[in-house]
Amino acid sequence: DADVTQTPRNRITKTGKRIMLECSQTKGHDRMYWYRQDPGLGLRLIYYSFDVKDINKGEISDGYSVSRQAQAKFSLSLESAIPNQTALYFCATSDLDRTTNTGELFFGEGSRLTVL
Amino acid sequence: RKEVEQDPGPFNVPEGATVAFNCTYSNSASQSFFWYRQDCRKEPKLLMSVYSSGNEDGRFTAQLNRASQYISLLIRDSKLSDSATYLCVVTSHNTDKLIFGTGTRLQVFP
Repeated sequence: DADVTQTPRNRITKTGKRIMLECSQTKGHDRMYWYRQDPGLGLRLIYYSFDVKDINKGEISDGYSVSRQAQAKFSLSLESAIPNQTALYFCATSDLDRTTNTGELFFGEGSRLTVL
Repeated sequence: RKEVEQDPGPFNVPEGATVAFNCTYSNSASQSFFWYRQDCRKEPKLLMSVYSSGNEDGRFTAQLNRASQYISLLIRDSKLSDSATYLCVVTSHNTDKLIFGTGTRLQVFP
């Protein structure tokens, strides 16, 4: 089983619908992230959480919300999906290397979302 | 100017060739640097960290040039299995945020 699991893996929906992408991890990491990837734009950070009570906006948080239900679970919601939110979404976790003040990111397999 | 810039490629090289990618970053305060590899339709995975003194892992060598604000990745004796997109990642010490480049695509042919 994967250490970082995302559901659903693929989803097609219509404009205006509410969508939730879920992420769970078995690595025991405190830090969790949501990224989206678009061709030519690379990976962009939507939201991140350093522990259950800590939620932070990334560079492109508008139109998204998150919930950190437990250390192992971090979900991303699109309250009213729009076509330009069509993208590949990745959840990731990391531990903290205090030497570098960051840590290796472990990604889920991705959730491909299409908004018609 | 983007915080992290990479040549998107593709770099098409024959098996056995040596190939190098550069990545420039704009924030002189950046402290940590990494190369990630992403196969087509897969998730990114850490390839190697980049240390100030440079580091080598088998056929892969990473270098950091702080004065010119770029990092490089050198792949020797390319294999077909090296075909992938290579993502440059930079972080600032005081923000904990990882900034990804758009990636450089490598295609190794027989």
